[in-house]
Amino acid sequence: DADVTQTPRNRITKTGKRIMLECSQTKGHDRMYWYRQDPGLGLRLIYYSFDVKDINKGEISDGYSVSRQAQAKFSLSLESAIPNQTALYFCATGDSGADTQYFGPGTRLTVL
Amino acid sequence: GEDVEQSLFLSVREGDSSVINCTYTDSSSTYLYWYKQEPGAGLQLLTYIFSNMDMKQDQRLTVLLNKKDKHLSLRIADTQTGDSAIYFCAERRYQAGTALIFGKGTTLSVSS
Repeated sequence: DADVTQTPRNRITKTGKRIMLECSQTKGHDRMYWYRQDPGLGLRLIYYSFDVKDINKGEISDGYSVSRQAQAKFSLSLESAIPNQTALYFCATGDSGADTQYFGPGTRLTVL
Repeated sequence: GEDVEQSLFLSVREGDSSVINCTYTDSSSTYLYWYKQEPGAGLQLLTYIFSNMDMKQDQRLTVLLNKKDKHLSLRIADTQTGDSAIYFCAERRYQAGTALIFGKGTTLSVSS
């Protein structure tokens, strides 16, 4: 089984809809992250969490919210999706030493 | 500048060595990373180097770090067609907490 799983893997939605992307991990890491990837722009950090009670904004948090339901679960919500949120979204977990991050397979989100 | 810089494309022949270069931004960055992304997949950690090291070798991979010039390189010996992917350089930038700042990625194309 994969260490970091994301659901759904693909989602097409309409402008204005609320969307939740979910992430689960079995690595036992305290740190979890959400990134988005856009062609030619690399990965940009949306939110990160060092433990269940810790949530931090990243570089591009506007239009997004997160919830850390448990050590193993970190969900990303788009309250009112807009077309420029069309992207590939990655969840990652990290250890507290070298902070090597382990990525999920990604969710491809299309907002029409 | 504020960005982690990488060249966008590299094309090599099977069996040759590949060298992917990266310029990072923060001289206080403690760890630097190389990730690989195959088509349709998430990011896979290849290797990382601590900032007090000049070189790290792991099988076919050699990482060189020049702190003075803030330059990081990844050398892949005996490049294979299975090495074709996008390679991302990332720095752990202290001022960003523990977030990783990624370059835009270098697409490596290996021809037989």
